Amino acid sequence: EIVLTQSPGTLSLSPGERATLPCRASQSITSSYLAWYQQKPGQAPRLLIYGASTRAIDTPERFSGSESGTDFTLTISRLEPEDSAVYYCHQYGSSPQTFGQGTKVEIK
Amino acid sequence: QVQLVQSGAAVKKPGSSLRVSCKASGGIFSSYYFSWVRQAPGQGLEWMGGILPLFGRTSYTKNLQGRVRITADESTSTVYLDLNRLRSDDTAVYYCGRGPMTYDARGYSMGYSDSWGQGTLVSVSS
Repeated sequence: EIVLTQSPGTLSLSPGERATLPCRASQSITSSYLAWYQQKPGQAPRLLIYGASTRAIDTPERFSGSESGTDFTLTISRLEPEDSAVYYCHQYGSSPQTFGQGTKVEIK
Repeated sequence: QVQLVQSGAAVKKPGSSLRVSCKASGGIFSSYYFSWVRQAPGQGLEWMGGILPLFGRTSYTKNLQGRVRITADESTSTVYLDLNRLRSDDTAVYYCGRGPMTYDARGYSMGYSDSWGQGTLVSVSS
């Protein structure tokens, strides 16, 4: 089973700042099958990125994904107040699929 | 327009069984992958398992193997999650997800979810 590690657990940043959210996989992920989700309180997850770097429909351009080996990163170029949420990485390259434990982004 | 509508909240006793349904509309049912993900109070997301209705293929997380079963009924475009021998730590919001199958050298596999149901709160308590 692939373990995804997201650290830190919480990021506290100001509007307009850049947010960098890492996700490290315990082993190689087939075909860059890594997705990022945003979840706000009381809501279902929302897909932001799939294939490590492809934005989903309706994902704002300020969100981008990248990979380097087993390290994946979600970057929010300029934080907006509505970006306050928990962000999860998710690998779907091997079974069982797994999620990271999430990074909470707080807007100061 | 994609829509996934889940069954309502449930309160269950320890040791009992649970069935949650997820009715899909929009698109061709069997051309998608369906997943079940749960979230315990204040915790993160846990992938429970998934199904490819086109092939009748399922996969489950090891933590739940033996207690969980996912099925699909193409005639009603509904996916079901069955969980038995319920415990208090099964208390969670259960989400169904739908997304594309992946296709590569291995053939068709389970992918990510780009649409989600509204969630079903399940409480397990004596």
